[in-house]
Amino acid sequence: EPEVTQTPSHQVTQMGQEVILRCVPISNHLYFYWYRQILGQKVEFLVSFYNNEISEKSEIFDDQFSVERPDGSNFTLKIRSTKLEDSAMYFCASTVLAWGGYTFGSGTRLTVV
Amino acid sequence: DAKTTQPNSMESNEEEPVHLPCNHSTISGTDYIHWYRQLPSQGPEYVIHGLTSNVNNRMASLAIAEDRKSSTLILHRATLRDAAVYYCILSDGGSNYKLTFGKGTLLTVNP
Repeated sequence: EPEVTQTPSHQVTQMGQEVILRCVPISNHLYFYWYRQILGQKVEFLVSFYNNEISEKSEIFDDQFSVERPDGSNFTLKIRSTKLEDSAMYFCASTVLAWGGYTFGSGTRLTVV
Repeated sequence: DAKTTQPNSMESNEEEPVHLPCNHSTISGTDYIHWYRQLPSQGPEYVIHGLTSNVNNRMASLAIAEDRKSSTLILHRATLRDAAVYYCILSDGGSNYKLTFGKGTLLTVNP
């Protein structure tokens, strides 16, 4: 069964450093998403991406965050200057149809120290 | 976003059917009803979704009330692997069909 692949599975970074989280969505999917989950809390929407542009973003997705689909296969989330509170699991997801079922990746655990 | 109400937790026994309820009294005509689950230390996993009619797939069945104000996820024979948090989520075109997760129902399966 097709999978959404996320790398790395775990990243430790120092506060203030830039990180890039990488995702390879399913090849025929058109809609892409990033979510995050702080330990013990709900899964939170960050951003949706369609047709090479952001279609919606949450309040969490401030100027420190950016997304790119540089080569038609990868989908990346960049955090420019990480803060302690950015420590969380980050999940990438994709879907063929906007109203269809999402396929989530297994996540990247980001730890900011 | 339209909201859903689920019990915080439910318990079932292995190999018995499980009915997970969800209330969504403010649902609009174009809202899809989605169910996802999240096993410990894993990402959310798609279970099933529907609009108006009942739906079946290899994982589960979705029973949607005639007025669409509630739905039930049915696991036909629970296994230990089905122990997870189950989320009932509405997605609508007005919010780009994005999924907004609540706290879900923690399902415990007893051997």
